[in-house]
Amino acid sequence: RKEVEQDPGPFNVPEGATVAFNCTYSNSASQSFFWYRQDCRKEPKLLMSVYSSGNEDGRFTAQLNRASQYISLLIRDSKLSDSATYLCVVIPATQYNNNDMRFGAGTRLTVKP
Amino acid sequence: NAGVTQTPKFRILKIGQSMTLQCTQDMNHNYMYWYRQDPGMGLKLIYYSVGAGITDKGEVPNGYNVSRSTTEDFPLRLELAAPSQTSVYFCASRITEGTSYNEQFFGPGTRLTVL
Repeated sequence: RKEVEQDPGPFNVPEGATVAFNCTYSNSASQSFFWYRQDCRKEPKLLMSVYSSGNEDGRFTAQLNRASQYISLLIRDSKLSDSATYLCVVIPATQYNNNDMRFGAGTRLTVKP
Repeated sequence: NAGVTQTPKFRILKIGQSMTLQCTQDMNHNYMYWYRQDPGMGLKLIYYSVGAGITDKGEVPNGYNVSRSTTEDFPLRLELAAPSQTSVYFCASRITEGTSYNEQFFGPGTRLTVL
């Protein structure tokens, strides 16, 4: 089983739609979780951290389910500019160890007019 | 701030050639990383450094070498290039204090093809 697993998609949605992605992780001791966004042929950029209680940033909501070992990202009112690949990132250690960041392969989202 | 810069943007190598991928950051970050990203795969850590003069292997170090003589620069060296090293290479640096201490900042990447 991969350490961090994502549905590669693509998810094709119309503008204004709500879309959600999940990401599962295998290490139950994982402590820190993030969503990064990667535009086509560009570098990854931090979208948001994922907190235990769930957190929201504008149209984006991230949640953590420790019991089932997954995190989710919900995007409301999708915009054309949301088209990108969304990378799930997990840090398995209790303290950030420098080689511990584990990246999922990404979920591709295309928002159509 | 320019952030993290990488050169070259693209390169084609022949099997057995060598090259150095350059990475520079102007944010005074101590921690720097090299990743490779293959199509349909997550980023894999090649090498990392926690400060000038200190480097360590990541998940996929074979075929690569690094050095860190200054805080700003973290070059990645490929010796005897092989087709399996065809990939996109990203350099990153990390904040180590404050509320965003986990965030990694990535350079624009180097697309390398080995033929």
